[in-house]
Amino acid sequence: AQKVTQAQTEISVVEKEDVTLDCVYETRDTTYYLFWYKQPPSGELVFLIRRNSFDEQNEISGRYSWNFQKSTSSFNFTITASQVVDSAVYFCALSDLFSGNTGKLIFGQGTTLQVKP
Amino acid sequence: GAVVSQHPSWVICKSGTSVKIECRSLDFQATTMFWYRQFPKQSLMLMATSNEGSKATYEQGVEKDKFLINHASLTLSTLTVTSAHPEDSSFYICSARVGSQNQPQHFGDGTRLSIL
Repeated sequence: AQKVTQAQTEISVVEKEDVTLDCVYETRDTTYYLFWYKQPPSGELVFLIRRNSFDEQNEISGRYSWNFQKSTSSFNFTITASQVVDSAVYFCALSDLFSGNTGKLIFGQGTTLQVKP
Repeated sequence: GAVVSQHPSWVICKSGTSVKIECRSLDFQATTMFWYRQFPKQSLMLMATSNEGSKATYEQGVEKDKFLINHASLTLSTLTVTSAHPEDSSFYICSARVGSQNQPQHFGDGTRLSIL
């Protein structure tokens, strides 16, 4: 069955520390997509990244980087030199292509990141 | 680009009232829209998938007569919570996707619904 696990419920760091948010997924699909979204206190979800199952290259965008490892079914997210504005709930999600082609997202439980000044 | 607007952002109403929430894609045409419900400190729970011009597909356990979804155009989907009760109080959030299933969903700001 399709499933996304974010084992870290809450993480608290001090500003400028690096932090890694873990995401482990399960899927029976050979082709799938993984996403990260950020949900700040205001509530809206902000799209951060999409990765397809055939592209295992790590990606870096400013202070954000993602490590996709098919061998361990993980798609971890690292924030370098964290800032207070990074405080939010972060969701990892898997695109379920098995569901009649709707591509609905299966979300993990989310990790609440608190960055203290 | 890819802006999704959701309205209203906050609703407080009496039990028994029906409440309509709008989800609009402002700068793109959304072939598919999704409606989620989120309880405090929990993940998003998909309620239904809405395709323009056809009936919505509801997830198991979601009452289609309770949560009416209309996707009348490529830029607008509405969710109506009929005869709302306090247990319907929640954060409802929509998303819209352009193109195929591998494209990201773009989310609205959400609607906080409180039923007294």
